Amino acid sequence: GESVGLHLPTLSVQEGDNSIINCAYSNSASDYFIWYKQESGKGPQFIIDIRSNMDKRQGQRVTVLLNKTVKHLSLQIAATQPGDSAVYFCAEISSFSGGYNKLIFGAGTRLAVHP
Amino acid sequence: NAGVTQTPKFQVLKTGQSMTLQCAQDMNHEYMSWYRQDPGMGLRLIHYSVGAGITDQGEVPNGYNVSRSTTEDFPLRLLSAAPSQTSVYFCASSSLSGQGVPLHFGNGTRLTVT
Repeated sequence: GESVGLHLPTLSVQEGDNSIINCAYSNSASDYFIWYKQESGKGPQFIIDIRSNMDKRQGQRVTVLLNKTVKHLSLQIAATQPGDSAVYFCAEISSFSGGYNKLIFGAGTRLAVHP
Repeated sequence: NAGVTQTPKFQVLKTGQSMTLQCAQDMNHEYMSWYRQDPGMGLRLIHYSVGAGITDQGEVPNGYNVSRSTTEDFPLRLLSAAPSQTSVYFCASSSLSGQGVPLHFGNGTRLTVT
């Protein structure tokens, strides 16, 4: 079975409800943020990104909110579906850091969607 | 497009054995990297490359070697496997041109060292 998510916090939601997954980032100089979704047995998949000159960005059924004052990022998933069950994690980087080798990943949150 | 392809998907090694994890991408990305993922931890960067012939160390490089002879391929070598290297390994790539282009990941290699 999948061992990556064994020790992660879990968010359990009912199918059709909205989900909010939170992420506290560490570097006040970070100015680009990415949310990834990782399904069991697969690699991380890009969901949505946001730059620090924005507070909110919307995609298809997903919205990312950025609060730079408290260094907090959230991913909102509307009308959560069973296919949304996965581990979600955020990543941060400073554009002044010189490259993707400075990308910092969070440990992730497991989203469990119940019918 | 296949994207980022990793082989093998699973591997079991005995302590002291060597092996190479393969990674290939068909997106003509300049940047390629290797991460390991352990339970409860974020992805940690092992090695990376910004182009053919150029490699550098990441956060956890000890016990691993890499080379980049072509743009497409970026193999990761374990010279003498140790139980501490039991992990899931991900290769990722991205374009260095422009901004806001996120990393594209392969589906991983699950390695167990006994």
